[in-house]
Amino acid sequence: ETGVTQTPRHLVMGMTNKKSLKCEQHLGHNAMYWYKQSAKKPLELMFVYNFKEQTENNSVPSRFSPECPNSSHLFLHLHTLQPEDSALYLCASSQEGIILAGAYNEQFFGPGTRLTVL
Amino acid sequence: AQTVTQSQPEMSVQEAETVTLSCTYDTSESDYYLFWYKQPPSRQMILVIRQEAYKQQNATENRFSVNFQKAAKSFSLKISDSQLGDAAMYFCAYRSDSTGNQFYFGTGTSLTVIP
Repeated sequence: ETGVTQTPRHLVMGMTNKKSLKCEQHLGHNAMYWYKQSAKKPLELMFVYNFKEQTENNSVPSRFSPECPNSSHLFLHLHTLQPEDSALYLCASSQEGIILAGAYNEQFFGPGTRLTVL
Repeated sequence: AQTVTQSQPEMSVQEAETVTLSCTYDTSESDYYLFWYKQPPSRQMILVIRQEAYKQQNATENRFSVNFQKAAKSFSLKISDSQLGDAAMYFCAYRSDSTGNQFYFGTGTSLTVIP
């Protein structure tokens, strides 16, 4: 595996279900992100982890619970979601801190999980 | 918070022609980074081109180039010799050099390439 991978690619769940999204980065980065992508809206940053520590939580409802056990893995635990939570959930990673020559600290994205909440 | 505006929800271009996608942003900072990302249908978002604000020279990557106007806070993407594989959503993004690693994205421009 290379780059950033996400599983599952598609998920359909009821409002009472509990599920988890998984993200893994194979780039040796030290920061990981969860975004929500909805049609005709900017990407919404949900959570940021730097060196496994959560540094951003952009007013995300508690029905979304992130977990970052190490710098390569990121989870998003879902429970009692609402239909308006249906979206594409993107994971990204980047290398933060010392900027190497020629580096821009851009984010590398996974393919996303298409979530549908019934 | 910084805002990024892409005023063209949809654009189309004839194959082999040139198209320009617009992006403006709002910031009070002097040092920052700008990016264009491409998201093909049902595929991964990938970086197309990037620009550091302190560099006056416009970035170029093969058929992709930018017109960076710092004073006007404008960062447009020009695609030359458009190909069918260029069809995608294009997102403009801003990253501060001083306030952590948060990116700000625009709403995207859907580009159609007409054969």
